Amino acid sequence: AQKVTQAQTEISVVEKEDVTLDCVYETRDTTYYLFWYKQPPSGELVFLIRRNSFDEQNEISGRYSWNFQKSTSSFNFTITASQVVDSAVYFCALISGDFQGGSEKLVFGKGTKLTVNP
Amino acid sequence: EAQVTQNPRYLITVTGKKLTVTCSQNMNHEYMSWYRQDPGLGLRQIYYSMNVEVTDKGDVPEGYKVSRKEKRNFPLILESPSPNQTSLYFCASRSADRYYEQYFGPGTRLTVT
Repeated sequence: AQKVTQAQTEISVVEKEDVTLDCVYETRDTTYYLFWYKQPPSGELVFLIRRNSFDEQNEISGRYSWNFQKSTSSFNFTITASQVVDSAVYFCALISGDFQGGSEKLVFGKGTKLTVNP
Repeated sequence: EAQVTQNPRYLITVTGKKLTVTCSQNMNHEYMSWYRQDPGLGLRQIYYSMNVEVTDKGDVPEGYKVSRKEKRNFPLILESPSPNQTSLYFCASRSADRYYEQYFGPGTRLTVT
């Protein structure tokens, strides 16, 4: 069975601090994709990044960076120099399988609520 | 523009009054699904459909029904809503082969009193 664990329920930081959101996943499949989504107070889900199991390169996009480590089954997300607009709930998610039947579903972690205070 | 739409976006209703939340996608996707999001629980899959007339239960199907009569539409039906179905609901779609590209609707906030 697939599982995603986000151990941090809530994090509060002061603006300009760096913050890392942890994500640990479980799957027996060799082919899988990992995602991060942002959910601002307005409620919609905003896609941030996707990573497949065959690509362990870390990624940086502006103030955002992601560290994918298969050895520890982790896909952590770091925000550098946080801003108030980064305040949101962040979800890590996983989809895995042989992708033959097509029924694979996205499995979400419980989310981490990030509050960035001015 | 590729999109998944949901209606209504907000709904307050009373226990037992049947309701339908509509979901429509314009990308000719085969796979559609419904999730509910509750505080501290993340998003959990309610039902999914792999194509027209093919639906199956997800992790939390109790109290819900779905149908897939047309490829673009996947309505979620609550025959007799109860307060424990108060939640934020998301519809999602993807193509059968591009399973890594999930498209989410904007969400429907449902309150059952």
